[in-house]
Amino acid sequence: DQQVKQNSPSLSVQEGRISILNCDYTNSMFDYFLWYKKYPAEGPTFLISISSIKDKNEDGRFTVFLNKSAKHLSLHIVPSQPGDSAVYFCAASAGYGSSNTGKLIFGQGTTLQVKP
Amino acid sequence: NAGVTQTPKFQVLKTGQSMTLQCAQDMNHEYMSWYRQDPGMGLRLIHYSVGAGITDQGEVPNGYNVSRSTTEDFPLRLLSAAPSQTSVYFCASSRQLSGNTIYFGEGSWLTVV
Repeated sequence: DQQVKQNSPSLSVQEGRISILNCDYTNSMFDYFLWYKKYPAEGPTFLISISSIKDKNEDGRFTVFLNKSAKHLSLHIVPSQPGDSAVYFCAASAGYGSSNTGKLIFGQGTTLQVKP
Repeated sequence: NAGVTQTPKFQVLKTGQSMTLQCAQDMNHEYMSWYRQDPGMGLRLIHYSVGAGITDQGEVPNGYNVSRSTTEDFPLRLLSAAPSQTSVYFCASSRQLSGNTIYFGEGSWLTVV
């Protein structure tokens, strides 16, 4: 049972345009959400996160939106650059008292290609 | 500024062989974990540790053992390698148990033939 889902395996956008990556989750106990970026042959690197007490977090060109009622989060990249081409993973964790405490649950990943 | 260091980076094993993937972190993080990445599956948690002497199972623990004798080290042992364990393995660490950024190593590519 996939608790965190990224239903789009790939996304292609033109340089300068907005990239929107989506993620859905099923477990209402998740209270912290993260996005990781991964280049080939490297480990995932942290990009941006959001706590469940917020609905938006912004860091430069990257903004994460959280819709708790829909159990949905999205990552917006504006403007997109060719160097943003990578695999993006969303991940979720739960606080104390959850069966998922201490575990970071990842989605399947979305491969973003930004064309020059 | 090493962060999380994994060795070896590449390994080929024969079915039935055993081996240990090493992981060390120099950030004094309490929490360490091992993930495997397979195509279309994202990263799946194998085992994790909340501190020295304490380990627990993740989503896919079968066929793997871990121990945490020190804060810095968290080795992953494959007891009897199987082709299904062909994967990329990532070690990770973080300061706290939850709600905190996790830092990953560069990965270990394992092929079991």
